[in-house]
Amino acid sequence: GENVEQHPSTLSVQEGDSAVIKCTYSDSASNYFPWYKQELGKRPQLIIDIRSNVGEKKDQRIAVTLNKTAKHFSLHITETQPEDSAVYFCAASMGSGGYQKVTFGIGTKLQVIP
Amino acid sequence: NAGVTQTPKFQVLKTGQSMTLQCAQDMNHNSMYWYRQDPGMGLRLIYYSASEGTTDKGEVPNGYNVSRLNKREFSLRLESAAPSQTSVYFCASSVLGSGEKLFFGSGTQLSVL
Repeated sequence: GENVEQHPSTLSVQEGDSAVIKCTYSDSASNYFPWYKQELGKRPQLIIDIRSNVGEKKDQRIAVTLNKTAKHFSLHITETQPEDSAVYFCAASMGSGGYQKVTFGIGTKLQVIP
Repeated sequence: NAGVTQTPKFQVLKTGQSMTLQCAQDMNHNSMYWYRQDPGMGLRLIYYSASEGTTDKGEVPNGYNVSRLNKREFSLRLESAAPSQTSVYFCASSVLGSGEKLFFGSGTQLSVL
């Protein structure tokens, strides 16, 4: 089955700096790569996603890049703010229009220091 | 529109007790899921239901059973709780074929003593 590795497990940055979280996946059949943010005591929520036919996607201060050849994808957060502090999960999903199985990474705890 | 609602929010059980976690969604989604979240292990799929009337095992199904009662509701049952089942449980739903954008419930924190 699919295996998703995520690193680092913890990340501390100064407010205003950038943060990068990296993930690798094992199955070349994976075709959808979402990122979820989970604030302390809250539910995970989708913040950005990318499909395998796209190399990069940006939404304001958040961007995701995908390298299918190397089977890795990354989350980039620019101009970090204290409210960005949370646990971030990457995931890889495979399927063909019907049900798709989602495999999560172990999460990265991001702390933004004011 | 409440999204995904799960109950209870907190539960303490003794080893060997049974309980059912309830989940309901009002987004007309076809697929529903149960995940458990443990420190350092991310979110692991317990069971899923791709559509009404079907259920399948996920990554860690042992010790659990599920029922897809109708399109809206998907319950998770622990028949004989064990300390290893202490975890935070999340129900989620998605639109079939959407690329699996998951919408999560607020979670159930379960402790088994």
